[in-house]
Amino acid sequence: DTGVSQDPRHKITKRGQNVTFRCDPISEHNRLYWYRQTLGQGPEFLTYFQNEAQLEKSRLLSDRFSAERPKGSFSTLEIQRTEQGDSAMYLCASSSPSGVNTGELFFGEGSRLTVL
Amino acid sequence: ILNVEQSPQSLHVQEGDSTNFTCSFPSSNFYALHWYRWETAKSPEALFVMTLNGDEKKKGRISATLNTKEGYSYLYIKGSQPEDSATYLCAFMGGGGNKLTFGTGTQLKVEL
Repeated sequence: DTGVSQDPRHKITKRGQNVTFRCDPISEHNRLYWYRQTLGQGPEFLTYFQNEAQLEKSRLLSDRFSAERPKGSFSTLEIQRTEQGDSAMYLCASSSPSGVNTGELFFGEGSRLTVL
Repeated sequence: ILNVEQSPQSLHVQEGDSTNFTCSFPSSNFYALHWYRWETAKSPEALFVMTLNGDEKKKGRISATLNTKEGYSYLYIKGSQPEDSATYLCAFMGGGGNKLTFGTGTQLKVEL
């Protein structure tokens, strides 16, 4: 396994369009996280899954955002009716069961979204 | 809302200089403190995961200390090299150990 992979790496879309990002975590990792990073800020927590269960979702996340992890493996993050303020780097990370007590995250390279 | 702060925001040093960054975090409900290095066009990578007050960790020329009672951690780089240029992020994990709250990072540039 080569690590966490994200697709697409870059996405340019027009305001109002829907976009979907995919994350494939490290295969034996049961936890999967989505973060968002904008210029000059650190990664901001969006949501996380343990296996297929979505256990927490940030209150900052509007209802235009939805994430799924249907079989406890890959995850998708969908943004509906995109706005210019959604432009950001969307980072996915996973952690292993053995790391659950310390929570070390293994990140993908991110999906950069630009909303025109 | 958890407040994780890092300083300085950015730093330019010369090759061979030693440098250090600060991360401050809530001193209550502590579970773990992480340091990550994020190089341009790559993914963030964990440097250290620290859980105990007084912890000191070292990896090559990079080391970190932790004070959970006063809520701060220092990251030190000895003899900086150009390949150390990156954004260094600290992240706080509170009780329950479920998610990390990141600081805004310190952007380090090491010049020849």
